[in-house]
Amino acid sequence: DTGVSQNPRHKITKRGQNVTFRCDPISEHNRLYWYRQTLGQGPEFLTYFQNEAQLEKSRLLSDRFSAERPKGSFSTLEIQRTEQGDSAMYLCASSLDGRELFFGEGSRLTVL
Amino acid sequence: SQQGEEDPQALSIQEGENATMNCSYKTSINNLQWYRQNSGRGLVHLILIRSNEREKHSGRLRVTLDTSKKSSSLLITASRAADTASYFCATDDDKIIFGKGTRLHILP
Repeated sequence: DTGVSQNPRHKITKRGQNVTFRCDPISEHNRLYWYRQTLGQGPEFLTYFQNEAQLEKSRLLSDRFSAERPKGSFSTLEIQRTEQGDSAMYLCASSLDGRELFFGEGSRLTVL
Repeated sequence: SQQGEEDPQALSIQEGENATMNCSYKTSINNLQWYRQNSGRGLVHLILIRSNEREKHSGRLRVTLDTSKKSSSLLITASRAADTASYFCATDDDKIIFGKGTRLHILP
């Protein structure tokens, strides 16, 4: 088992562009979580899936953010029309039935 | 939104001393977890304590939970330079919510 994998690790984009991050969870894990983290802060919950169903999405998340988990395997997080305030580390984690989370190394987004 | 609140925000101690971090939360929980994060890396799970447990040990880590006060503490004994990291508590009421963390620095 190779753990949780996130791609790309770094993304630099211009304001207004769309970006997509991918997360490959640990294969037998049924839950997948997305978090956003800025410098000096804790991970901020964005959304989570149980298998392919998106169970909850943060009310703080604008409509520019969308996440999918087709077939209950990998997940993608898309940010449309990026803004400078979207610059952050985007963390993905997976778990078995909501127990301990296993995190990937994150995808760092810089919006110029 | 963040439910857990760690205290202190930052802590510097000498190597070999014990480090204690506290976490307070607002609503009822199923479990409380502690995680560690080295700079620029993902988080690593340290320990999970269930709502019906009061204390749990794992190596040099000791976690307590007081559900009546909605608080938890993480004790790291005999600290080492490699313990320098940020530590987060996370509460579980289905989705898992993290606090802002305690930044621990171990001085040589």
